[in-house]
Amino acid sequence: DGGITQSPKYLFRKEGQNVTLSCEQNLNHDAMYWYRQDPGQGLRLIYYSQIVNDFQKGDIAEGYSVSREKKESFPLTVTSAQKNPTAFYLCASSEIELDIDQPQHFGDGTRLSIL
Amino acid sequence: GEDVEQSLFLSVREGDSSVINCTYTDSSSTYLYWYKQEPGAGLQLLTYIFSNMDMKQDQRLTVLLNKKDKHLSLRIADTQTGDSAIYFCAEGDTGNQFYFGTGTSLTVIP
Repeated sequence: DGGITQSPKYLFRKEGQNVTLSCEQNLNHDAMYWYRQDPGQGLRLIYYSQIVNDFQKGDIAEGYSVSREKKESFPLTVTSAQKNPTAFYLCASSEIELDIDQPQHFGDGTRLSIL
Repeated sequence: GEDVEQSLFLSVREGDSSVINCTYTDSSSTYLYWYKQEPGAGLQLLTYIFSNMDMKQDQRLTVLLNKKDKHLSLRIADTQTGDSAIYFCAEGDTGNQFYFGTGTSLTVIP
């Protein structure tokens, strides 16, 4: 079945450590997105990418980095510069059609906690 | 970014209808969307409505759109305990970005 796979489901980070969250999709979608979800705050956009080897910052990119070396993969690194990384992280993907928004499809999320 | 607003909580009794409301600001969206999030899971696309439509019905779900007032609602008929979840409305823009509301937590009381 086509879909988006995020791994791991739970991740723990020590102080000063970088961690990488995986996101893979087999939907052949061009666009991929990373969101952070905190209780009562909805979803906030971290980074997005519309094409391989290109990506843009979202609203809260500080302390995060991404890469898009393959169409199906969009890993997110939470760096030690992110002082409050405890959150639920969601990856999404969508098709791109000129001048028409397309629905986003989501993975099951990764919950990151600080040890 | 655009503003998409929802109330945070809604409680209904099993078998009653639920109505979740949303207001938005951007009028350029082609579609407006409703997503459902169960605990510990990602967002599941429930339904969406073309911005030139007033209403869309899909089994127990009815979406109403008042484009003049920029108001979107999701009605769930015969609400069941399995409908307990957080519901997000969202609008997109032609730059392929989405704007989500804060989510409405629906609790269904048996």
